[in-house]
Amino acid sequence: QKEVEQDPGPLSVPEGAIVSLNCTYSNSAFQYFMWYRQYSRKGPELLMYTYSSGNKEDGRFTAQVDKSSKYISLFIRDSQPSDSATYLCAMTGGSQGNLIFGKGTKLSVKP
Amino acid sequence: GAVVSQHPSWVICKSGTSVKIECRSLDFQATTMFWYRQFPKQSLMLMATSNEGSKATYEQGVEKDKFLINHASLTLSTLTVTSAHPEDSSFYICSARGGGWWDTEAFFGQGTRLTVV
Repeated sequence: QKEVEQDPGPLSVPEGAIVSLNCTYSNSAFQYFMWYRQYSRKGPELLMYTYSSGNKEDGRFTAQVDKSSKYISLFIRDSQPSDSATYLCAMTGGSQGNLIFGKGTKLSVKP
Repeated sequence: GAVVSQHPSWVICKSGTSVKIECRSLDFQATTMFWYRQFPKQSLMLMATSNEGSKATYEQGVEKDKFLINHASLTLSTLTVTSAHPEDSSFYICSARGGGWWDTEAFFGQGTRLTVV
């Protein structure tokens, strides 16, 4: 079993839809959870950063962490065509630990 | 967020030559820099971790003599692909972490598309 599992998609939704992206993981030592957005041929851009369990909201984006289920989610409300990108989850056990990435989910928001 | 600049954004080189990729943290001191390789439709695979002033730590399966990493200052790390071959063609991305409150967050460069012909 891979440490981090993420459905690669692709996921296609109409503009305005609510998007749910998810990752599961196996290492209970993970404490720090991130979501990155990567446009084609670009480096990843940090979107959300969460420590331990709970929710975090930033504008249209909400990150959720459920450590008991080893499951993290990113919700995008009122999705826009500009949200079309690959979304990568990443996590680490310690503040100086290496990030372990999911494969990324390719999202396409159709106008 | 913090800015990490990676250069060049793309490079084409002949087989057998060496290519150097630079990664700079522009507005913070990067105590740790990471180099990743990304294949099409794949996730980022960590190649090596470098701390300023010390030798890089390479992941299993990564040839340290082929992928030379130098982290000579708190704002600059370089990756040199030596004697490049077509199978080295890939997307290489660096990321940097600083100290302080964001020491867990990693900020990424724009990536370098290497094509070896």
